[in-house]
Amino acid sequence: GNSVTQMEGPVTLSEEAFLTINCTYTATGYPSLFWYVQYPGEGLQLLLKATKADDKGSNKGFEATYRKETTSFHLEKGSVQVSDSAVYFCALRSNTGNQFYFGTGTSLTVIP
Amino acid sequence: DAGVIQSPRHEVTEMGQEVTLRCKPISGHDYLFWYRQTMMRGLELLIYFNNNVPIDDSGMPEDRFSAKMPNASFSTLKIQPSEPRDSAVYFCASSLNRKVYEQYFGPGTRLTVT
Repeated sequence: GNSVTQMEGPVTLSEEAFLTINCTYTATGYPSLFWYVQYPGEGLQLLLKATKADDKGSNKGFEATYRKETTSFHLEKGSVQVSDSAVYFCALRSNTGNQFYFGTGTSLTVIP
Repeated sequence: DAGVIQSPRHEVTEMGQEVTLRCKPISGHDYLFWYRQTMMRGLELLIYFNNNVPIDDSGMPEDRFSAKMPNASFSTLKIQPSEPRDSAVYFCASSLNRKVYEQYFGPGTRLTVT
């Protein structure tokens, strides 16, 4: 079946620190992979995506590379800001339908 | 655009009562999704519609849950009767057919069943 596993939180970092949030997946076929972000009190927003192996998604300084050999899609940012404090969700969409499978979310707090 | 609109934002009800959650998707979007978010289970897809037609409702937990989309601009998720374990945040999301991966989420409805 399809599933997403992401690292447990919460994660607390100082401003300008390097961020990695791990995400691995299980899927049949060739899924598309996503990172969504949820700011306090709001719904989820698409942060970045990758639709095939070796693709790199990037947005707002965040990056993630679709690694088929390790079934991973880790989120990285070189220098986090206080405004990056949010919950981050890794997700996959099966290529056989429109169902999305979300990870449990990783809470990030960035302190000044 | 106003984005996806959900109402109410908060709902507190007693066990056994009927609860109706409402969603207005972004105008022109072909897909509408209902999700439930809990600490224990994370974000779960309940059901989704394409052009107002339910496509996959395999995530609906049981017969107490029902969803409708009478037209392109309105959908409801109903729980009858409600139970304490239904307490969660319910999100509605919509997307365009050609960009179904880019879902736009509403702010959610926080449901508490006592």
